[in-house]
Amino acid sequence: AQSVTQLDSHVSVSEGTPVLLRCNYSSSYSPSLFWYVQHPNKGLQLLLKYTSAATLVKGINGFEAEFKKSETSFHLTKPSAHMSDAAEYFCVVSDLSGTSYGKLTFGQGTILTVHP
Amino acid sequence: DAGITQSPRYKITETGRQVTLMCHQTWSHSYMFWYRQDLGHGLRLIYYSAAADITDKGEVPDGYVVSRSKTENFPLTLESATRSQTSVYFCASSDPGGETQYFGPGTRLLVL
Repeated sequence: AQSVTQLDSHVSVSEGTPVLLRCNYSSSYSPSLFWYVQHPNKGLQLLLKYTSAATLVKGINGFEAEFKKSETSFHLTKPSAHMSDAAEYFCVVSDLSGTSYGKLTFGQGTILTVHP
Repeated sequence: DAGITQSPRYKITETGRQVTLMCHQTWSHSYMFWYRQDLGHGLRLIYYSAAADITDKGEVPDGYVVSRSKTENFPLTLESATRSQTSVYFCASSDPGGETQYFGPGTRLLVL
């Protein structure tokens, strides 16, 4: 069984300061990992994905995430927050074992607030 | 426009009524999915489809029916809506590798 834990339900930063959203995962197999972002009343947009290639993954809008197997973590970072980054972020693990599609398990989400 | 669309975006209905939520994708993806998003539960898989005429249950299928006569469409029907089905519903499709899912904008459903 796989699971995802997002360690913070809310994160608040000032514009121009770094962003860190934390995610730990549990999976029996080598997982694929994703970060999705959901702006208010919008759908989920894929930010980035890790699929066993480079452990440092770069995504859209200046976000990146580092896969650390020893720590079972996949934290999302951005050097400088922008007001438009305010949204809810979901860490997601995909398990292809035993199925022909990626069964997704979602974290509970982290709401990012950006102050001027 | 290419992508995945859902209709309606907002729907209010009454208990006992039948409601159909539509999903359409233009990528010719084989796999399509329906999720519901609720506070405290995150996103949960209702049904998925591997191809036209092939569907299977997800985590929370009770009270829902799906069909897939064409690759690009995957409607979700609530045969007799209940208040507990008030939720935001997301449709998704996945690329050929099956790993990455792309989501539609969602349908907000309120059952009175």
